[in-house]
Amino acid sequence: DSGVTQTPKHLITATGQRVTLRCSPRSGDLSVYWYQQSLDQGLQFLIQYYNGEERAKGNILERFSAQQFPDLHSELNLSSLELGDSALYFCASSVGSGVGNTIYFGEGSWLTVV
Amino acid sequence: QKEVEQDPGPLSVPEGAIVSLNCTYSNSAFQYFMWYRQYSRKGPELLMYTYSSGNKEDGRFTAQVDKSSKYISLFIRDSQPSDSATYLCAMSAYSSASKIIFGSGTRLSIRP
Repeated sequence: DSGVTQTPKHLITATGQRVTLRCSPRSGDLSVYWYQQSLDQGLQFLIQYYNGEERAKGNILERFSAQQFPDLHSELNLSSLELGDSALYFCASSVGSGVGNTIYFGEGSWLTVV
Repeated sequence: QKEVEQDPGPLSVPEGAIVSLNCTYSNSAFQYFMWYRQYSRKGPELLMYTYSSGNKEDGRFTAQVDKSSKYISLFIRDSQPSDSATYLCAMSAYSSASKIIFGSGTRLSIRP
């Protein structure tokens, strides 16, 4: 158990809908990351928050947004969903934001868009 | 061409064998190198972290970086069925964790 909690574990939704994925980082970790993992694209970095503020953006679509709350939990909002958004979404956390800090991944949220 | 190339496998070896997993890369600026292990339906977990070139050993695992060839390897000695997983290499040119680029992973199966 990495200590990173993600909900829901699985969800199935229709195209055009909106979903929210939730993440509780490990206790004491200030950095939260969101990744998308699909068979064709591999593990892709979406966005990072550090202590409540957006720190870095990766390949995140405009239809996607995220935030980190004062208690450091984070949400990833996916809207106007398309079939191609079906993937495994990981939240991860680390103490700091440097590459030398171990990044701990949650078990992921499986999103299926039908 | 992807910045990080990794053979997807699957790679199947008998228990006790030495396993060699490899990645090649094109960006000569990469200086931070990592290996992650991902079990089925789980998130990746960091196995090894190496800065710049050289070898690093941790138990049955050895990571090697050859920057001149743009090639990194992970060796697993005395492989066990519990090592069956997907192994992702990862690397970065920057000190920020948000810049880490992951390989697509090699699926490894250890036969009892």
